[in-house]
This record gives sequence, structure tokens and C-alpha cells, in this order.
Amino acid sequence: NAGVTQTPKFRVLKTGQSMTLLCAQDMNHEYMYWYRQDPGMGLRLIHYSVGEGTTAKGEVPDGYNVSRLKKQNFLLGLESAAPSQTSVYFCASSYGFGAGGRQETQYFGPGTRLLVL
Amino acid sequence: DAKTTQPTSMDCAEGRAANLPCNHSTISGNEYVYWYRQIHSQGPQYIIHGLKNNETNEMASLIITEDRKSSTLILPHATLRDTAVYYCIVRVYNFGNEKLTFGTGTRLTIIP
Repeated sequence: NAGVTQTPKFRVLKTGQSMTLLCAQDMNHEYMYWYRQDPGMGLRLIHYSVGEGTTAKGEVPDGYNVSRLKKQNFLLGLESAAPSQTSVYFCASSYGFGAGGRQETQYFGPGTRLLVL
Repeated sequence: DAKTTQPTSMDCAEGRAANLPCNHSTISGNEYVYWYRQIHSQGPQYIIHGLKNNETNEMASLIITEDRKSSTLILPHATLRDTAVYYCIVRVYNFGNEKLTFGTGTRLTIIP
């Protein structure tokens, strides 16, 4: 049971390049999330998904797109990277609403460090 | 979700109990208090959560005041591995409000 994994761990992009971050979970969770964390700040939600084939916007969705084609995977795309998107990106998953107790909590991956030059 | 206030940083001696306060004076009746921690840029880790009763698990205890306007996370016997940033989060857990709103947290340093 690997939990939540993220690929890649680190990436350097030039302004205008595109890339996709992959998040995978093996806990059969319904909900998945993408957050970003900037230096000295807390995490901010970018997009999330409440089930396969669904996505929704979080607090800071501009410049990002997501897809949830398979229940276990949640992809975060940057179509045209900008220096303001330099950050650490965390993926998380949870059983979701109605699961009760600790199953409502979110489990986080190790993060992807992205540097946009 | 209600706003929370935490001290920026705290120190605690190894082996002693670490008590981390959180103020959430605008909390409403259906909002839960959650605690997460983040160790050195790793992904956040769930610790504990509660509504109005005190809670305890293998990691920590959560004490919520009777008026629910503040709470304290207690790590009973702090070790060096407990050095981390601790986040207190208040949220209504219902459909359409799945997000966790992280503030800047408390940086806890365990002193040998």
C-alpha cells in the first residue's frame, strides 16, 4: 500500500512550456485534491475531484487544468508555465463526504517541486 | 469556514508535553476542529479532529473548550521527530466544502 504518490518529484520548466503532474492513490478514495504551497505560506487548493470523471475549481485554479479519467489518478496540467507557478505541489485524497470519522481526513503525497524560469 | 489564530512558533523540551493553542472564536456549531502537521516540506499529515468533546488517539490529544472558541493540541511526550509546522483548521464537513484551508500554522521546535 503506497498511499499517495506523485510524479515527478522535481522539475524545472522554462516560461511558456507545458507539463503534467501525476498523482496516484491506491486507497480506493473517491476524492482527490491538488494544492500548492509557496514559501512561508500554507497550502492553497487549486482543483479537486469528488469522483471519477468529475473536477471542480478550488481557491487558485487559474493557469491550471485537471483531469480524473481513472479513479486512482488525478492529473494537474500547466498549459503555459509562468514564474508565478513556481511552487511545491501536493496531491491529496480522501474517502469523502459521508465516510465518517478519520476516513473523512485527507492523505497527502510527498510533493512535486516545480521551478519555472 | 471559521478563521483560526495560532502562535507563529513555540519551543518544547524533548520528553515534555507540547501544548499547542488555537483560537477559533467565530466557530459555528457544525464546524469541526482539525489538526495537521507538516514535517520539513513533506506532505501534511493528519493528527486528530473533534467537534466538541475532547479526543485522544495514538498521536495526540485534542482539548476543546466548552464554548468551542479555542482548542489545544497536546503531544504528551514530545520527541525530536515532532519538530514540524502544526496547522489548526476549522471546517464544516459537508458536500461542496471538501477543502482544507491551511493558514501559516505554528512552527514547533523540540529542543534536545
